[in-house]
Amino acid sequence: DPKIIQKPKYLVAVTGSEKILICEQYLGHNAMYWYRQSAKKPLEFMFSYSYQKLMDNQTASSRFQPQSSKKNHLDLQITALKPDDSATYFCASSQDGATNERLFFGHGTKLSVL
Amino acid sequence: GDSVTQTEGQVALSEEDFLTIHCNYSASGYPALFWYVQYPGEGPQFLFRASRDKEKGSSRGFEATYNKETTSFHLQKASVQESDSAVYYCALGDPSSGSFNKLTFGAGTRLAVCP
Repeated sequence: DPKIIQKPKYLVAVTGSEKILICEQYLGHNAMYWYRQSAKKPLEFMFSYSYQKLMDNQTASSRFQPQSSKKNHLDLQITALKPDDSATYFCASSQDGATNERLFFGHGTKLSVL
Repeated sequence: GDSVTQTEGQVALSEEDFLTIHCNYSASGYPALFWYVQYPGEGPQFLFRASRDKEKGSSRGFEATYNKETTSFHLQKASVQESDSAVYYCALGDPSSGSFNKLTFGAGTRLAVCP
């Protein structure tokens, strides 16, 4: 059974709309992350959270907002969607966010913006 | 900033061939180096890690040795199987970068193994 659940698996949106990508992890981890993978760029770090606190934000645009309602949840809200946002978004987690801990990734949400 | 370069975009081999995927890095600090593997429709999976010069990481028959002098962490396997077909990513984690456990990934190398 997958220990990191991402919903939905596929998502189609129109330009200008808003979507929320869901991530829940059942590994008992305290650190969670979002990464993005597109055809143009390799896996790209977006955010890191530790104990529900934002630790690092490497996303230039404020249109991307992570939301952590529970310790094992880290959703990603994307507003004013653009075609360039089309990518697969991966949620990941690690035990405590200690330096160079191994990451566990979900299966991803593939977002297509038309 | 930190960067990871994987020379080969694609590698095609036959079963029992020897595999080498080249990975070179650039970092201001003393990074940890990783290999992850991604199968179709899944997220990347941790393969192994090395944190200091000359340390060898290994898993499932794959191995790589941290080389600070040549800034490399090349992935090797003596005898590949069809089930090894996947995309392989080299990555680095640089604690001196000031970011929180951020990994910088290479572009990936797609390995196709024919029976």
